Amino acid sequence: DTGVSQDPRHKITKRGQNVTFRCDPISEHNRLYWYRQTLGQGPEFLTYFQNEAQLEKSRLLSDRFSAERPKGSFSTLEIQRTEQGDSAMYLCASSLDGGLRPQHFGDGTRLSIL
Amino acid sequence: AQTVTQSQPEMSVQEAETVTLSCTYDTSENNYYLFWYKQPPSRQMILVIRQEAYKQQNATENRFSVNFQKAAKSFSLKISDSQLGDTAMYFCALIPGTSYGKLTFGQGTILTVHP
Repeated sequence: DTGVSQDPRHKITKRGQNVTFRCDPISEHNRLYWYRQTLGQGPEFLTYFQNEAQLEKSRLLSDRFSAERPKGSFSTLEIQRTEQGDSAMYLCASSLDGGLRPQHFGDGTRLSIL
Repeated sequence: AQTVTQSQPEMSVQEAETVTLSCTYDTSENNYYLFWYKQPPSRQMILVIRQEAYKQQNATENRFSVNFQKAAKSFSLKISDSQLGDTAMYFCALIPGTSYGKLTFGQGTILTVHP
């Protein structure tokens, strides 16, 4: 169990550029979640995958955001035409099923928009 | 919709003493799951303790215990014998029983343990 890994740890980009983040969940975990966390706040849910199926997207996820989880393994989160308001920490978590089973979080990708 | 409220933005405690972090929540579900997560500075979020709503007995994990008051929709975390390594942001969170596992978090409480 190597834990949830996210890449990159930090991303600095200019407004209007596209960015893509990667998340590698714990290998046997079938559920994968993306959250966004702004400074001093709790994480907010963005989207959820069960295996390769994206089953829910938050209203926070505008059409500039897209997420994929091909083959039910790693996941990518892409933001197109980045805006200042996209600056945040993007957290990935995975779990085996749901309910009381804990979600294991990665270190996050911190996005800064210049 | 679910809401989780943590009314204490910051708390501090002396090493070896006990501290209690408050959390209230609102949900229309009869069954749900409650969690406390810890996020140390610049480190990843880790689970501290969890409680299933239909279980009356309060959960405990070593120095960490909860006071779950279902009628009052309150879920406080007690940390006994505080250690310097307990310094972190603490988040209370909820998953409705009918949900696949989407966590709703509170705003967090920054806990500082002083030597």
